[in-house]
Amino acid sequence: QVQLQESGPGLVKPSETLSLTCTVSGGSITTGLYFWSWIRQPPGKPLEWIGYIFYSGSTNYNPSLKSRVTISRDTSKNQFSLNLNSVTAADTAVYYCARADQGVGATYWGQGTLVSVSS
Amino acid sequence: DTQMTQSPSSVSASVGDRVTLTCRASQDISSWLAWYQQKPGKAPKLLIYTASSLQNGVPSRFSGSGSGADFTLTISSLQPEDFATYFCQQTKNFPYTFGQGTKLEIK
Repeated sequence: QVQLQESGPGLVKPSETLSLTCTVSGGSITTGLYFWSWIRQPPGKPLEWIGYIFYSGSTNYNPSLKSRVTISRDTSKNQFSLNLNSVTAADTAVYYCARADQGVGATYWGQGTLVSVSS
Repeated sequence: DTQMTQSPSSVSASVGDRVTLTCRASQDISSWLAWYQQKPGKAPKLLIYTASSLQNGVPSRFSGSGSGADFTLTISSLQPEDFATYFCQQTKNFPYTFGQGTKLEIK
């Protein structure tokens, strides 16, 4: 059974960089045709797909966030990470990591972590 | 991006009722649509993919239909654990955009 767990600071100051890590167990992030993804949900708002890193290492980002987002991975630790720079209060959200299948959607999710942007 | 619109935004129903939720895409997405259930404080759970395929472990009272731009999720006989928020998501083109959700409440 694949399990994902987000970790990182729960509070980030405006203009700084939000950094989160997702640790995956029960499966390798380098095998299978999976999109290892970050998705966020601002309070009371819909879900937003931030981007993904494919099993091959290629990445794809939501155009609305592309200039500020980097998703990377550490295959030795079976982890992938999100960096979002120049954050504002609008980036306050619950951030989820997830495993997605093309055309199917996100089949496995982390529990989510709330990140607040505030001075 | 493909915009997804769900209706209604909220609905009240009773245990045992049949409920149908609607999702509309801003363009033709064929059958590339997923439905999720989300309970407060929890991650979404995938229910349906490719418009009508039931995810493993999801009860058969959930069903999906539609193609092109108009889709529905039907719960044939509501159970107490079904009261939650439901999201649709297009899975044709990245970014995989979500609808704003329909909150299903107990009457």
